[in-house]
Amino acid sequence: EVQLVESGGDLVQPGRSLRLSCVVSGFTFDEYAMHWVRQVPGKGLEWVSGISWNSINIKYADSVKGRFTISRDNALKSLYLQMNSLRVEDTALYYCAKDDSRVMATPFGLDFWGQGTWVTVSP
Amino acid sequence: DIQMTQSPSSLSASVGDRVTITCRASQTISTYLGWYQQKPGKAPKLLISAASTLKSGVPSRFSGSGSGTDFTLTISSLQPEDFATYYCQQSYGTPYTFGQGTKLEIK
Repeated sequence: EVQLVESGGDLVQPGRSLRLSCVVSGFTFDEYAMHWVRQVPGKGLEWVSGISWNSINIKYADSVKGRFTISRDNALKSLYLQMNSLRVEDTALYYCAKDDSRVMATPFGLDFWGQGTWVTVSP
Repeated sequence: DIQMTQSPSSLSASVGDRVTITCRASQTISTYLGWYQQKPGKAPKLLISAASTLKSGVPSRFSGSGSGTDFTLTISSLQPEDFATYYCQQSYGTPYTFGQGTKLEIK
């Protein structure tokens, strides 16, 4: 059974940092690209960042570029999101999602998702 | 960035109805299009990838079509468990972008 379990979400003040983690099981982690997607309560989905299977190709949404850093440790079957200079508008539920491909920009979609971890940024 | 526009934003329908949701991309994306279903308090679930490929375990009443800029998700006969919010997403280029969602409600 494929499982993705996020952690690290918290209530923090603007300007502070957080590191999200996603531990996976049930599939060969180092064969797939991975992503972070966020959702503001009651709103739609926003793709945040993606990383290829070998960490060579990394992409970010403009809204987080320069503040967030995605990384992965294939030996630990873990995906990370380092979030610096947090803003109130970063408040959301953050999902870790598996790509159905080794690389990004393919037709195959995000086929498995975790249940998310909450990040609240408030003064 | 590629903009994805879904319509309608909300839809009321009855069990047994046939419903269609449309998604339009601001530029051609070939068939790099996925459809997701999200129920309250749950993570999104991928229903269809590559515009028309039904994912394993998804009922055959769901179907997808289209290429280029115009796409549709069709549910041939609504079941009670289908009432949810549906999103399209392009994976042609980054940033990946989602449609704004279509909330399917019981009439």
